[in-house]
Amino acid sequence: DIQMTQSPSSLPASLGDRVTITCRASQDIGNYLRWFQQKPGKSPRLMIYGATNLANGVPSRFSGSRSGSDYSLTINSLESEDMAIYYCLQHNEYPFTFGSGTKLEIK
Amino acid sequence: EVQLVESGGGLVQPGRSMKLSCAASGFTFSNYGMAWVRQAPTKGLEWVATISYDGSSTYYRDSVKGRFTISRDNAKSTLYLQMNSLRSEDTATYYCTRGYPDYWGQGVMVTVSS
Repeated sequence: DIQMTQSPSSLPASLGDRVTITCRASQDIGNYLRWFQQKPGKSPRLMIYGATNLANGVPSRFSGSRSGSDYSLTINSLESEDMAIYYCLQHNEYPFTFGSGTKLEIK
Repeated sequence: EVQLVESGGGLVQPGRSMKLSCAASGFTFSNYGMAWVRQAPTKGLEWVATISYDGSSTYYRDSVKGRFTISRDNAKSTLYLQMNSLRSEDTATYYCTRGYPDYWGQGVMVTVSS
């Protein structure tokens, strides 16, 4: 199975900060990488697909990038509504695997 | 507007069965693969199973293979998950999802306990 190593597990940050979350894939997954945001008691929401493409309705302060087997989600100018848990997902091959999650919280 | 509405969850004893349903609307159901993803209490997300747009192909995680069956009825725009021989470790919120996925339902809780 492909392992998705996500870091950090917790990320204290201040409003207005620029933050980056990273997932490293244990095998080649191409650009079959998605990022999801999950708020307490809510269903996950697709934020990024194809490693770098913004999903419908997602603010432009969110962006995705890739460097080799490292995939990153960056949020510019953090807002209070961005506080949530973020997960990456590889869907290059079965079983699909998620990262362990990053809890973004106010410092 | 895409809507996915799960039903059928609840409390079940270990070893028993339960069937989840997901009613889809707002898109052409028969054009999309569908999947179930679960989340144990306070834990992360875990992919469970996927079915192709026409039901001809199915995929499962190893821990549910042989116990769970994903199926669909395109005429009813409904996705199913038949869960047999349930274990305590299957306790989770089960989400119906579209595609790889993109849209998610609100989730349904399944508790396996005696």
